[in-house]
Amino acid sequence: NAGVMQNPRHLVRRRGQEARLRCSPMKGHSHVYWYRQLPEEGLKFMVYLQKENIIDESGMPKERFSAEFPKEGPSILRIQQVVRGDSAAYFCASSRDSGNSPLHFGNGTRLTVT
Amino acid sequence: GQQVMQIPQYQHVQEGEDFTTYCNSSTTLSNIQWYKQRPGGHPVFLIQLVKSGEVKKQKRLTFQFGEAKKNSSLHISATQTTDVGTYFCAEVSSGSARQLTFGFGTQLTVLP
Repeated sequence: NAGVMQNPRHLVRRRGQEARLRCSPMKGHSHVYWYRQLPEEGLKFMVYLQKENIIDESGMPKERFSAEFPKEGPSILRIQQVVRGDSAAYFCASSRDSGNSPLHFGNGTRLTVT
Repeated sequence: GQQVMQIPQYQHVQEGEDFTTYCNSSTTLSNIQWYKQRPGGHPVFLIQLVKSGEVKKQKRLTFQFGEAKKNSSLHISATQTTDVGTYFCAEVSSGSARQLTFGFGTQLTVLP
């Protein structure tokens, strides 16, 4: 039973490059959430998606960040023109439904911007 | 927006001592969830509390939900080095778009 799969585990980008983070939810889960975690800080909600739909992107910066969850394939979090402040751990989580089901987190992608 | 306050931010205990972390909200919560994140790891779901005054136990861990559903606590008795990590409480947002809002977490260090 594969859990939430995120790749890559580590990603290094120079300032100005693009970062693409991928997340495959658990089997049977159609709800995907992205969270950002800075060192020594909590988890900050970014975006909540269902297949082909963005449900809530209230935590997503207005510029340079975008997310999608296509009908086929993984969810993608895309950061354009990265800056040093984007360096963080990005966690994807999935759940079975939009009720009170617990979230299952992936191992995260540690993004370092040099 | 909603915000969950969690205290303390850091806690160092000697192995065998007890540990408690508290979570407080300014609004009534529909439910609260607890997660644990080991150093370098990812958050792992521990438990969900739904009912007012609810108490749940998992071995040495005791979770409580306040009568007014505005606070919650996690108590670990006789800590072990395997308990090291950050413990987060999380509340479900109100409204149609469900999202979990996490507290800042309590980072527990257990000294052998």
